[in-house]
Amino acid sequence: EDKVVQSPLSLVVHEGDTVTLNCSYEVTNFRSLLWYKQEKKAPTFLFMLTSSGIEKKSGRLSSILDKKELFSILNITATQTGDSAVYLCAERWQGGSEKLVFGKGTKLTVNP
Amino acid sequence: KAGVTQTPRYLIKTRGQQVTLSCSPISGHRSVSWYQQTPGQGLQFLFEYFSETQRNKGNFPGRFSGRQFSNSRSEMNVSTLELGDSALYLCASSLGRIQGDHEQYFGPGTRLTVT
Repeated sequence: EDKVVQSPLSLVVHEGDTVTLNCSYEVTNFRSLLWYKQEKKAPTFLFMLTSSGIEKKSGRLSSILDKKELFSILNITATQTGDSAVYLCAERWQGGSEKLVFGKGTKLTVNP
Repeated sequence: KAGVTQTPRYLIKTRGQQVTLSCSPISGHRSVSWYQQTPGQGLQFLFEYFSETQRNKGNFPGRFSGRQFSNSRSEMNVSTLELGDSALYLCASSLGRIQGDHEQYFGPGTRLTVT
């Protein structure tokens, strides 16, 4: 089964720092890659990426996909304490199913 | 538009019992997927239903089953509960059409504790 690997597993930064979270995947039937933010509750949808090189942006968060090198990054600029969460990436296959294969997540802690 | 809802939110059961969890997708969404989340294994796919048919299944024992109704609401059932079934059970809904890519939204989850 395809494997999704996120790095680093955890990260501690100070407010105002910029962070880059990494997600690599092994593709056999790649269809799209999704990013979620999870605090002490259900994952909240952030981005869905299907095309290589196109940046998705929402406020201080942005993400880009490299289909040739099989990775995606999630950038957060000017971090705030409210950004503290586990960030999950997930690969969705081709093949007529909505199944997502998740990485283990990156735990981000933003200190004041 | 209302989000994905799950009931109950918390559940405590004893070993050997069975449990049924419910998920109502976002209006208009026809795909419902179920995931189990544990600290050790992370988020793992259980199964997906689309138009009342199971479209994909993860690597879980047969004690885990599900179904979907004509209004797209879904239930999952776990029989003969084991301690290792303690987890957060999440459902996610999407439009689910094969053509195109669709965002997938999660419900708040059901926290199951097996004692």
